[in-house]
Amino acid sequence: GQQLNQSPQSMFIQEGEDVSMNCTSSSIFNTWLWYKQEPGEGPVLLIALYKAGELTSNGRLTAQFGITRKDSFLNISASIPSDVGIYFCAGYQAGTALIFGKGTTLSVSS
Amino acid sequence: NAGVTQTPKFQVLKTGQSMTLQCAQDMNHEYMSWYRQDPGMGLRLIHYSVGAGITDQGEVPNGYNVSRSTTEDFPLRLLSAAPSQTSVYFCASSYSGQAGNTIYFGEGSWLTVV
Repeated sequence: GQQLNQSPQSMFIQEGEDVSMNCTSSSIFNTWLWYKQEPGEGPVLLIALYKAGELTSNGRLTAQFGITRKDSFLNISASIPSDVGIYFCAGYQAGTALIFGKGTTLSVSS
Repeated sequence: NAGVTQTPKFQVLKTGQSMTLQCAQDMNHEYMSWYRQDPGMGLRLIHYSVGAGITDQGEVPNGYNVSRSTTEDFPLRLLSAAPSQTSVYFCASSYSGQAGNTIYFGEGSWLTVV
């Protein structure tokens, strides 16, 4: 089946640092999504990307849809303690269901 | 605005028992899906449906059964529970599979099989 390779698996950073994580796939997707999950809750959508090359921001978060349609990255600038959580990339093709990466666990120390 | 409703939120089963996780959405969404989440594994797709009467297998379908008799409901059945099915289960729905449609998740069902 389709697989998404998400890296890094975990990150331990200081408050104020920038963060970068990415996802790659062997398959082409027509939508890339980035989610954040906090303990005991379901994933919450952060950014949705619909076109190759698209660069979209949501506050301190910026994500890009790779030109090849097989990858995407998420950047978080000037991290704060409430950024702690698990970040998931997800790819979507018409006629199927969302496929998730394994997640990047982010820890922020103040 | 109920969105996606999953029940039960917590369940403990004995090995070999069967049970059904319920999922209902009130948004008239065509697409519904079930995922399981295990530590370090992300969310893995179990089964999905692109409309009433249509279901298909995802990445980890073994031991689970689904049906989609109505647009609103997409129950997940564990036929004979095994400890390996201890997990958190999420139901999700969206209007269609086309790009641009938001996917809504339920709050999760925590299942323990002993």
